Amino acid sequence: AQSVAQPEDQVNVAEGNPLTVKCTYSVSGNPYLFWYVQYPNRGLQFLLKYITGDNLVKGSYGFEAEFNKSQTSFHLKKPSALVSDSALYFCAVRDGTSNTGKLIFGQGTTLQVKP
Amino acid sequence: DTGVSQDPRHKITKRGQNVTFRCDPISEHNRLYWYRQTLGQGPEFLTYFQNEAQLEKSRLLSDRFSAERPKGSFSTLEIQRTEQGDSAMYLCASSTRLAGEEYEQFFGPGTRLTVL
Repeated sequence: AQSVAQPEDQVNVAEGNPLTVKCTYSVSGNPYLFWYVQYPNRGLQFLLKYITGDNLVKGSYGFEAEFNKSQTSFHLKKPSALVSDSALYFCAVRDGTSNTGKLIFGQGTTLQVKP
Repeated sequence: DTGVSQDPRHKITKRGQNVTFRCDPISEHNRLYWYRQTLGQGPEFLTYFQNEAQLEKSRLLSDRFSAERPKGSFSTLEIQRTEQGDSAMYLCASSTRLAGEEYEQFFGPGTRLTVL
């Protein structure tokens, strides 16, 4: 079965420190991977994607993610966290059994950045 | 604003009533998706349109749910005889796909439905 797992419900980090939000996936075929961020009472905002090419993908707001095929992971990272990064983060993978491009999402990880 | 818009943003209804939500995608996007998000969960796929054709429906979409996208522009999602279990955030997203390249989905702000 295709799935996305975000093993941490919440990640706490101090402002200025590096952050990592973990994601692992299981999908048939080549994985198309995405990270989205959701602020309270708002829709999802696209951060970055991996389709092919370099394993390190750079995205919006200084975020990057590292694709690791052998570990089936796509962890989100940022070298220096900001308080304003505090939000709910979702990892998603394109459903490989469908041509529609529909996404399968993880359960989300709340990132709390403290001053 | 050229993003995805949804209306209404909030809807409170009584059990048994019908509700309809509207989504206006980004104008040049031919792909439109509806997802449902419940508290503490990630969004779950409901249905997909390519232009005006509804090409896929999730098993989550019971007979009480219907979606349309007339003329391949805006889309509506109707829930008949609402139940308390329908309470959720309903998200609309749109995207495009050109020359085989996969483009990201852009999400609207969502419609939060509360069924009393």
